[in-house]
Amino acid sequence: NAGVTQTPKFQVLKTGQSMTLQCAQDMNHNSMYWYRQDPGMGLRLIYYSASEGTTDKGEVPNGYNVSRLNKREFSLRLESAAPSQTSVYFCASSELPYQETQYFGPGTRLLVL
Amino acid sequence: GQQVMQIPQYQHVQEGEDFTTYCNSSTTLSNIQWYKQRPGGHPVFLIQLVKSGEVKKQKRLTFQFGEAKKNSSLHITATQTTDVGTYFCAGPVWIQGAQKLVFGQGTRLTINP
Repeated sequence: NAGVTQTPKFQVLKTGQSMTLQCAQDMNHNSMYWYRQDPGMGLRLIYYSASEGTTDKGEVPNGYNVSRLNKREFSLRLESAAPSQTSVYFCASSELPYQETQYFGPGTRLLVL
Repeated sequence: GQQVMQIPQYQHVQEGEDFTTYCNSSTTLSNIQWYKQRPGGHPVFLIQLVKSGEVKKQKRLTFQFGEAKKNSSLHITATQTTDVGTYFCAGPVWIQGAQKLVFGQGTRLTINP
């Protein structure tokens, strides 16, 4: 089992460009999450999907959209990238929402110029 | 505001010294989870504590959950260079009518060999 996979690993964007970060898990988990990690800020929840077919905003959703494509896949889209979105993005999954152990992907390092 | 606080933010020790990080919540938590993130890596689940006053050990790591279930600590005895990384606590917090796993800001541990 690969666990949680993310693509791409690295990305450089110009301000205003759009891109989609992909995440997939093979653990048959119901819940999936997108976090961003900035120095000194810990992990901040952007969006989450408690179960297939549902998505909800987290702590910092502005500037992002998500799609829970199926049970395995949860994508994060930046419609018009801004330098403030330069960060490391982690996708995570858990068997059940909210209180369950989360398993993280390797992360995507995004630089917006 | 931040509902799960961790201190200290940084800790530098000599190899062989002990290390402790503390986690405090403004509300009672049903459980507390601890994660470790190696430099350049992704968060990896270490342990979950559920019961009031619970103490769990993993080799040189000792985890405690406070009696009031509002605080927790991670203590590492006789640190080794393999302990380097950032340690996060996380707990489920009610935010806008939904329970979400909120991470502390993390304690970054560096070790002088």
